[in-house]
Amino acid sequence: AQSVSQHNHHVILSEAASLELGCNYSYGGTVNLFWYVQYPGQHLQLLLKYFSGDPLVKGIKGFEAEFIKSKFSFNLRKPSVQWSDTAEYFCAVTPFSGGYNKLIFGAGTRLAVHP
Amino acid sequence: NAGVTQTPKFRVLKTGQSMTLLCAQDMNHEYMYWYRQDPGMGLRLIHYSVGEGTTAKGEVPDGYNVSRLKKQNFLLGLESAAPSQTSVYFCASSYIGQSREQYFGPGTRLTVT
Repeated sequence: AQSVSQHNHHVILSEAASLELGCNYSYGGTVNLFWYVQYPGQHLQLLLKYFSGDPLVKGIKGFEAEFIKSKFSFNLRKPSVQWSDTAEYFCAVTPFSGGYNKLIFGAGTRLAVHP
Repeated sequence: NAGVTQTPKFRVLKTGQSMTLLCAQDMNHEYMYWYRQDPGMGLRLIHYSVGEGTTAKGEVPDGYNVSRLKKQNFLLGLESAAPSQTSVYFCASSYIGQSREQYFGPGTRLTVT
């Protein structure tokens, strides 16, 4: 079955530290890849997405992610986190299998940034 | 442009009661989705719709029914609520096609006692 794995369930960082959140998926075909963020008490917002082309994609608020096809990975990075980045981050994958936009989510990584 | 809205924001039900959650979108999206979010499990798809008058089952459809009588609305019903249905429910919508991102509503927090 298709699945998405996020390696870290909870991450605690100090402000200005660098961030890398891991995401791996299990699907051998073409995929679209997404990172969504959910700030406390809010709905999911799109951080960035990869459809094709340059495997290094840049999103909002200084986030970026790199698609490594050979590793089935799409890790999220930010060089210097801020307190306002405290949120839950979800990796999601849409496999190209026809039909609707089937979006498979990882379990999420809860990030806490301390001042 | 309100995007995706959900009604109500919070609800407490007793076991066996029924209720309907309403999702509305004003972006003229063809596809609409209902997810539930549980701690440590991410979001799981309950039902989805690829157009007015059509619905289909997702990953966890048991205990839920849906209807899409109008393109802009997608209703999620619980006929006989169970404590296992305590969750946060998110509606989403997207344009037709494989490469379309989904836009999410603010969520409904449902507690079944």
